[in-house]
Amino acid sequence: QKEVEQDPGPLSVPEGAIVSLNCTYSNSAFQYFMWYRQYSRKGPELLMYTYSSGNKEDGRFTAQVDKSSKYISLFIRDSQPSDSATYLCAVSPVLNYGQNFVFGPGTRLSVLP
Amino acid sequence: GAGVSQTPSNKVTEKGKYVELRCDPISGHTALYWYRQSLGQGPEFLIYFQGTGAADDSGLPNDRFFAVRPEGSVSTLKIQRTERGDSAMYLCASSLNSGRAGTGELFFGEGSRLTVL
Repeated sequence: QKEVEQDPGPLSVPEGAIVSLNCTYSNSAFQYFMWYRQYSRKGPELLMYTYSSGNKEDGRFTAQVDKSSKYISLFIRDSQPSDSATYLCAVSPVLNYGQNFVFGPGTRLSVLP
Repeated sequence: GAGVSQTPSNKVTEKGKYVELRCDPISGHTALYWYRQSLGQGPEFLIYFQGTGAADDSGLPNDRFFAVRPEGSVSTLKIQRTERGDSAMYLCASSLNSGRAGTGELFFGEGSRLTVL
């Protein structure tokens, strides 16, 4: 079993839809949870991070963590064509050590105008 | 520049050749990371520098891979005797701090895409 799993997609939705992206992890030692967005042929950029179970909201984006089931989600409201990208979840036992980050394979999202 | 700069953006080489990939981090960022991203996969950690020294090189796959950061800024990833399996996107990231309180946000460059024929 891989440490972090994501449905690779591609996921296609119409503009304005609510998007749900999901990620599961296997090791309960992971305490920090991040979502990175990666546009085609670009490097990843951090969208959100959280370290507790529950929801964290930032504009149109909401990150949700359920540590008991080792399940994390990213919701995008009012999706836009500019949201079309690959979304990578990342987990880590500590926040400030990038060498400990474990990335999922990413879910490719396409928002159609 | 304002972001992490990586050169070359694309590199095509032949099996057995030597390759160098360069990373220029954000000014003032002391932590620098190299990752490798294969097609359809997430980035995988290779090596981490804090200042000039390699604080963690546990992700380097074998001794054909080596990286330096002699002055604590620019870093070079060196791959000897390249193999077809080395073909991937090599990403560099920098961070303002590591091991202290902070967001831990990594700022990635656009990557160097290596193709070994």
